[in-house]
Amino acid sequence: SQQGEEDPQALSIQEGENATMNCSYKTSINNLQWYRQNSGRGLVHLILIRSNEREKHSGRLRVTLDTSKKSSSLLITASRAADTASYFCATSGNQFYFGTGTSLTVIP
Amino acid sequence: GAVVSQHPSWVICKSGTSVKIECRSLDFQATTMFWYRQFPKQSLMLMATSNEGSKATYEQGVEKDKFLINHASLTLSTLTVTSAHPEDSSFYICSAGMEGSEQYFGPGTRLTVT
Repeated sequence: SQQGEEDPQALSIQEGENATMNCSYKTSINNLQWYRQNSGRGLVHLILIRSNEREKHSGRLRVTLDTSKKSSSLLITASRAADTASYFCATSGNQFYFGTGTSLTVIP
Repeated sequence: GAVVSQHPSWVICKSGTSVKIECRSLDFQATTMFWYRQFPKQSLMLMATSNEGSKATYEQGVEKDKFLINHASLTLSTLTVTSAHPEDSSFYICSAGMEGSEQYFGPGTRLTVT
């Protein structure tokens, strides 16, 4: 069964707006990763946050992790049309699972 | 950063033939490699976990006699789709890493069975 579940399933925003995606998981983890996948292409690793970290930044990306709620969020600030893609969370721990993804569309 | 390659990136084969897909970790050793299948506009479906030197662990519903996995070394795992049928057409992705740590994904292999 899927461990990582993203919310929302689909998101459409105007260029320049912020996009927030959430991920929930079920078991204990060592780390959580966010990936991006453009249509028909491979996965691109965006950011990894470890279980003892609460927040991490990388450029326009901000990731938070709440281990008590078993959830993580990915914030993309000042979105661009090129950010249009599917975003997945994945967890590493006793097992490795991949989430169902959020499809983000940024309208120019 | 760690790089994982897959070969081939795209393959077309006739129904009934077998296809081998390679997954290599180029600059690190991977004790664990995972094989995924992805249908259009869907998430990755974990097929099996491949541990170096031991038999692969298959997820429920995945036919181990059809999808043969061999993790021959710490840098190479292969997935062989045997007696391929059109319904096996899909995007196959591998990931590699150390157990419990970050996984690095390959670029994927698109299989089309005619």
